[in-house]
Amino acid sequence: GQSLEQPSEVTAVEGAIVQINCTYQTSGFYGLSWYQQHDGGAPTFLSYNALDGLEETGRFSSFLSRSDSYGYLLLQELQMKDSASYFCAVRERGQAGTALIFGKGTTLSVSS
Amino acid sequence: DTEVTQTPKHLVMGMTNKKSLKCEQHMGHRAMYWYKQKAKKPPELMFVYSYEKLSINESVPSRFSPECPNSSLLNLHLHALQPEDSALYLCASSQSGGAVSYEQYFGPGTRLTVT
Repeated sequence: GQSLEQPSEVTAVEGAIVQINCTYQTSGFYGLSWYQQHDGGAPTFLSYNALDGLEETGRFSSFLSRSDSYGYLLLQELQMKDSASYFCAVRERGQAGTALIFGKGTTLSVSS
Repeated sequence: DTEVTQTPKHLVMGMTNKKSLKCEQHMGHRAMYWYKQKAKKPPELMFVYSYEKLSINESVPSRFSPECPNSSLLNLHLHALQPEDSALYLCASSQSGGAVSYEQYFGPGTRLTVT
C-alpha cells in the first residue's frame, strides 16, 4: 500500500516564498510528481523528480530526497493566481498495474 | 493541440438513466485515464487504457463501463448510478502507453449529479 502526507492548508502573502512538503510511503518508488488544481479546474502537471535533488521550473522548484521519502514544492514570488490546491503524487505498482496515487492536497491561499 | 476535451461539462441524471461521458485528445497520446474526484479530495483513479486496451480497473462498480473506440476517444458509460456517485469525472491522457505516466494531461471534467 501507499500513503502520502502533505499539509492541508498553507497561507502566504504576495511576493513571499512558500514550501509545501510531502512525505510518502510506497511499496515501490518510481518518482514524485506535483500537480496544481484551481477551484473548478483541471489538475495541471507542474514537475517530476525521479532522482534526489532540486528541479527548477521558473518560479516553481521541486525537491526529492529518496532516503528520507520526502519531497517538497517551493513556490517563489507568490502571486494571487497561485492560490490553488497542490497535490503530490507517486507512481505505485499495485495488483492492477502501475497507477498514479495522489496525496490529499494542500490548499494554498495567497493574499495581498 | 495540447488539450483534452470532455463533454458534457455538467450532467444531471436520475438513478434509472443511462448516459455517457466523452473524452477526446489529439496529442497522439497512447494512454488514457478516467478519474473520479469528490469535493476537496484528490483524484481517484478508475480506469486506464493503454494502446486502446483496458489495462487497469481499480475495482470500479460495473455501473461504470469504460470504452475506448480509438486512440483519441474515451467514453464512460453510466447506468443505474447512486447519489454517492455524484462527483467530478476527469479524463486524462499521457504520451507513453507502456506504463502509467507521471505526467498526465487532464481535461476540465464533467460535473455529474445523480438525483
